[in-house]
Amino acid sequence: QKEVEQNSGPLSVPEGAIASLNCTYSDRVSQSFFWYRQYSGKSPELIMSIYSNGDKEDGRFTAQLNKASQYVSLLIRDSQPSDSATYLCAVSGSGNTGKLIFGQGTTLQVKP
Amino acid sequence: DTGVSQDPRHKITKRGQNVTFRCDPISEHNRLYWYRQTLGQGPEFLTYFQNEAQLEKSRLLSNRFSAERPKGSFSTLEIQRTEQGDSAMYLCASSRRGGAFTTNEKLFFGSGTQLSVL
Repeated sequence: QKEVEQNSGPLSVPEGAIASLNCTYSDRVSQSFFWYRQYSGKSPELIMSIYSNGDKEDGRFTAQLNKASQYVSLLIRDSQPSDSATYLCAVSGSGNTGKLIFGQGTTLQVKP
Repeated sequence: DTGVSQDPRHKITKRGQNVTFRCDPISEHNRLYWYRQTLGQGPEFLTYFQNEAQLEKSRLLSNRFSAERPKGSFSTLEIQRTEQGDSAMYLCASSRRGGAFTTNEKLFFGSGTQLSVL
């Protein structure tokens, strides 16, 4: 079992729709959770962080965390073609190293 | 401050050659990480430094790989006797360890070095 799992997609949504990206993780002691966006050929860019159960909103992005279910999600409202990218879920590793464990990423395609 | 800087952006080498990559972290960041990413996969952790000390190294990392951060600032990653399987994007990231509240650390990535081994 992978430590962080994501559906590789592609997830295709029409412009203006809500895109929902999901991630599960295996280590119950993980405390920090992040979403990175990666355009093709570019490096990952941090877009959201969440540390406690519930929802965290930032503009069109909402991160959701459920530690009991070991589940993290990212909602993108009013999806734009420029949101087309791979979204990487990252979870803090064991110990206070700051190390992140990444999922394989979900490719999102927003169609005009 | 322009963020994490990596050099070179691209490297093409022949199998068996040695290569070295450089990473300059964000200036106030005391932690530096190296990751490797292949097509269709997420970044895979290689090693990390806190200041000049290398505190963790992936068990998957071959002994052909070595990293240094001699003065706690920039870091180098060397791959000896490269193999075709080493072809990947090598990413450097940095963060600032903030006292006891390490759960709030955020990693920021450089642009990466794309290695192609022929």
